[in-house]
Formats: sequence, C-alpha cells, structure tokens
Amino acid sequence: TQLLEQSPQFLSIQEGENLTVYCNSSSVFSSLQWYRQEPGEGPVLLVTVVTGGEVKKLKRLTFQFGDARKDSSLHITAAQPGDTGLYLCAGEGNNNDMRFGAGTRLTVKP
Amino acid sequence: GEEVAQTPKHLVRGEGQKAKLYCAPIKGHSYVFWYQQVLKNEFKFLISFQNENVFDETGMPKERFSAKCLPNSPCSLEIQATKLEDSAVYFCASSQGRLNTEAFFGQGTRLTVV
Repeated sequence: TQLLEQSPQFLSIQEGENLTVYCNSSSVFSSLQWYRQEPGEGPVLLVTVVTGGEVKKLKRLTFQFGDARKDSSLHITAAQPGDTGLYLCAGEGNNNDMRFGAGTRLTVKP
Repeated sequence: GEEVAQTPKHLVRGEGQKAKLYCAPIKGHSYVFWYQQVLKNEFKFLISFQNENVFDETGMPKERFSAKCLPNSPCSLEIQATKLEDSAVYFCASSQGRLNTEAFFGQGTRLTVV
C-alpha cells in the first residue's frame, strides 16, 4: 500500500484554469516535499512544508500542509502549458526514508 | 560533481541477461537513494545508502537486485537475470541529510528488457 496517496492521478485542463492536487496519508509526517518531474528528467524540488497549517507560495503555486500534518495540497492559479508535468509529493517513510506518492500527471493545453 | 550523474542513459537487455546501472552522487552528499519508475508515474523506493552503508533496503526485490556504494567509486545497481517487468526508468538521488533536505535526482537510466 502507498504511504502517500495522490489524487487525481491524471488531470488535463485548459490554459488559464485553476487546479488543486492532493497528497493524503493516514500517517503523520514531520515534513512533506513537493517535486515536479518533466519528461526525460529527474524530479526537482518545488517546496518543503514543515509546520502543520503552513502555507507557502511560489509564484502561481500555493502549497498547504494540513493542520494534522497528514495531508498536503498544491493549488495552481491560471495554469500555463509550462506547468505540465508530473507532480510528486514525498514524505518520511516507515523506516525514516523518503517515500514518494504515485504522482499527479498534469497536462495544460494551450 | 555538481549534479547526480547516471550512466548509461539507456540500456537494453535480453530477458535473463544482467544489467548494471551507475550513479555518481553530488560530492559531499552522504545519502544515496535508488527509485524505480514504471509507466512514467509511480516512484517505487528500492534502497538507500548512508555513505557506503545500506540504510534501508526494504524496497529491493531480494532475489535478483543488488546495490553497492563503495568509497571513491560510483554507486551501482545490478539486476541479475532481468525480467520483462524490470523495464523501467531507474532514478538515483543524493542528499546531504536524510530528512527535510532536498534530494537531487539524476536524469535516470531507462532499462528496456526485451
């Protein structure tokens, strides 16, 4: 079973639309990280959230860490084709190593 | 180096053959992680190292997969007797710390078993 459940698995939207993707778990995490992976590349870190209830903004991206530190969301405002990619959340696994969710594959159509 | 270097970029093996993948972590990073990505989505954790010591190998298929990180050598992931379902992109990542620190990924090795 996945330690981190991401939803939706796939998302296809038009340029300019807003979207939210989710990362949920039954476990409490000391922190969660969000990565974006583009085709043919390895994932690149977007943000690390540490404090329950924390909200971080990165231009048009807003990341939120749940109060109970079991879930996180990523909201993108006015999506652009350059936002297309695989969005992965990662957190501490049972053996204190970094584990990834299955990812949300986002396609933004011009 | 300043980036995680994985070689080769592509590897094709006949079913039953051996495959060996290499990863040079960023200099100064103590932790190395190997992941398997199938069908461009799910990242499956395989194994992690702290320097040359195995830290966590709970994701490794025991029978055919092995990995090493020896001093002054690239880390390696070896698959004996490859199977069709081993076809995937294998990513290596390194980080300075284990938790709450950024993991830097290589570009991956695409293994195709035919």
